[in-house]
Amino acid sequence: EAQVTQNPRYLITVTGKKLTVTCSQNMNHEYMSWYRQDPGLGLRQIYYSMNVEVTDKGDVPEGYKVSRKEKRNFPLILESPSPNQTSLYFCATGQGGYEQYFGPGTRLTVT
Amino acid sequence: AQSVTQLGSHVSVSEGALVLLRCNYSSSVPPYLFWYVQYPNQGLQLLLKYTTGATLVKGINGFEAEFKKSETSFHLTKPSAHMSDAAEYFCAVTPRPGANSKLTFGKGITLSVRP
Repeated sequence: EAQVTQNPRYLITVTGKKLTVTCSQNMNHEYMSWYRQDPGLGLRQIYYSMNVEVTDKGDVPEGYKVSRKEKRNFPLILESPSPNQTSLYFCATGQGGYEQYFGPGTRLTVT
Repeated sequence: AQSVTQLGSHVSVSEGALVLLRCNYSSSVPPYLFWYVQYPNQGLQLLLKYTTGATLVKGINGFEAEFKKSETSFHLTKPSAHMSDAAEYFCAVTPRPGANSKLTFGKGITLSVRP
C-alpha cells in the first residue's frame, strides 16, 4: 500500500527543546515537501527536496531545517522551537509536478 | 508568482442540495489545478486535478470542476450534497513541472451539510 507516514502524530514540547518530525514514503518519489497548516492561512510550504541531497527553502523556512540522505526519508528539524511554530505539519511526496500525496499530519504544540 | 483565492471560509448546504465551492487563481504560466479535501483529523486527499485536455474534470465522490481560463477559475461542484461531504476543501495551483512542484493553496473552505 502506498503510504506517507509521519511521526509523531502529536507532540507537546517546550520552547528551545530540539525536536525532529520524521517523514517516510514508500512510493519511490523523488520530490518531498513539508507544509504547515494554520487557521485562516491554508497550507504554506516550509522546505522541499527534489532528490537525495537536494533541498531548498519554501515560503516559510525560518526556524526549520531539513535533510534528505535517503530517498524515502525527509525529516523536519526544529533546533530551537518557539510558540509561533505551534501548528499542524504535513509531509507530502510527488513525482514530476503532478499531484502530491500527503501524510496524516503532526500536531505540534510549543509552550 | 501564483496565488489562489477561495472566497468565504464557510459554506452551508442542505443534504441533497447543490454544492458550489469557488476558486480563482493567478499564475504567470498555465497552471496545474487541484482540489483537495481534508476530513477532521486527517491529511489531505486529492479530489480531482486539471493538467491538460478536457476542461471539465471529474473526481472522486461525485465531485467535478471546470477550468475556465478566461475567468481564471476552477470551481468545484457536486449536484447533490451528502452528509459525508462535510469537510474542509482546498484549491491549489502549481506551475507546470519545474524545479519546485510547490503547491500554492487557498485558505480553505469548510463545508457543512445540514440534514
